[in-house]
Amino acid sequence: QKEVEQDPGPLSVPEGAIVSLNCTYSNSAFQYFMWYRQYSRKGPELLMYTYSSGNKEDGRFTAQVDKSSKYISLFIRDSQPSDSATYLCAMSDTGGGADGLTFGKGTHLIIQP
Amino acid sequence: GAVVSQHPSRVICKSGTSVKIECRSLDFQATTMFWYRQFPKQSLMLMATSNEGSKATYEQGVEKDKFLINHASLTLSTLTVTSAHPEDSSFYICSARDRENYNEQFFGPGTRLTVL
Repeated sequence: QKEVEQDPGPLSVPEGAIVSLNCTYSNSAFQYFMWYRQYSRKGPELLMYTYSSGNKEDGRFTAQVDKSSKYISLFIRDSQPSDSATYLCAMSDTGGGADGLTFGKGTHLIIQP
Repeated sequence: GAVVSQHPSRVICKSGTSVKIECRSLDFQATTMFWYRQFPKQSLMLMATSNEGSKATYEQGVEKDKFLINHASLTLSTLTVTSAHPEDSSFYICSARDRENYNEQFFGPGTRLTVL
């Protein structure tokens, strides 16, 4: 079993829809959870950073962490065509900048105009 | 702020040659830099952690003699792929940890290496 599982998609939704992206993991030591957005042939860009369980909201993005289920989610409201990208979840058992991160494969998201 | 650059963005080389990739933090000091590799449709995989002024720490399965890492200053780390082979063809991405913002890594744009 891989440490982080993420459906690679592609996930295609119409503009304006609510998007739900998810990852599951097996390492109970993970405490820091991140979501990155990656455009084709570019480096990842940090979207959300959360510690332990709970919710965090930033504009149209909401990140949820359920450590008891080892499950994290990213919700995108009022999705736009510019949100089309690959979304990577990443995790760490120390502060997210202290050690290297463990990434999921990424979900390719397509927002249809 | 928090910009990380990589050079070159793309390189094509012949099998058996060595290739050097540079990673620079442009507007912050990075005590730690990380090197990742990403194969098509795969996760970013951590290769090594590089701390300024000390030897890099390599992940299991990564050959330290093949992937030479030098972190000579607080703004520059280099990755040299020695005696490159076609199976080394990949997307190499570095990230840097801001000395002042401990919890976040900033990623470079990546370098696409193709070995013929």
